[in-house]
Amino acid sequence: GNSVTQMEGPVTLSEEAFLTINCTYTATGYPSLFWYVQYPGEGLQLLLKATKADDKGSNKGFEATYRKETTSFHLEKGSVQVSDSAVYFCALVTQGGSEKLVFGKGMKLTVNP
Amino acid sequence: EAGVAQSPRYKIIEKRQSVAFWCNPISGHATLYWYQQILGQGPKLLIQFQNNGVVDDSQLPKDRFSAERLKGVDSTLKIQPAKLEDSAVYLCASSLGSQNNSPLHFGNGTRLTVT
Repeated sequence: GNSVTQMEGPVTLSEEAFLTINCTYTATGYPSLFWYVQYPGEGLQLLLKATKADDKGSNKGFEATYRKETTSFHLEKGSVQVSDSAVYFCALVTQGGSEKLVFGKGMKLTVNP
Repeated sequence: EAGVAQSPRYKIIEKRQSVAFWCNPISGHATLYWYQQILGQGPKLLIQFQNNGVVDDSQLPKDRFSAERLKGVDSTLKIQPAKLEDSAVYLCASSLGSQNNSPLHFGNGTRLTVT
């Protein structure tokens, strides 16, 4: 079946550090890939997405590239801020069929000043 | 635009009791989803509605969970009777259409604790 595996957290970084959150997937067909973020006290919101191989999604300084050969969609940011403290979820949807959104377990990031 | 509204924000009940959650999606969004998020896990889809029809309820424990979306707008999710393992955050989300073409907008969720 379809699944998403994320690196385990929680992770604590200092402000301006480089961030990588690993995400790999298993899917039938050709999935679309997403990163969702949940800030403290708020609902989940879409951070970025990529719908086909080699696409790069970007938003708020975050980037992720859809790598079909390694079935990965790692999230990166060159310089994190305190306001990036949140829980990050990698997710996929397979095109066609029921288009069910499947989430990874999430990774909590804390950025200290 | 107003976001997805959910209530209550928190609920504590004893096992074997009943509970209901309410969701008001963004105006004009045809698709509505209920997700269950157990602590330390990612959200899991319970049920998906397209207008007032069920598209996917394959992971809904139908012996105790039920959901309806009368008139294709608001939705309620009910648990009867609750078990300890139902303790989780219940998230409602809505979208204009399919997940590939329009993003999901999530509410803040209802945190359920079953004692």
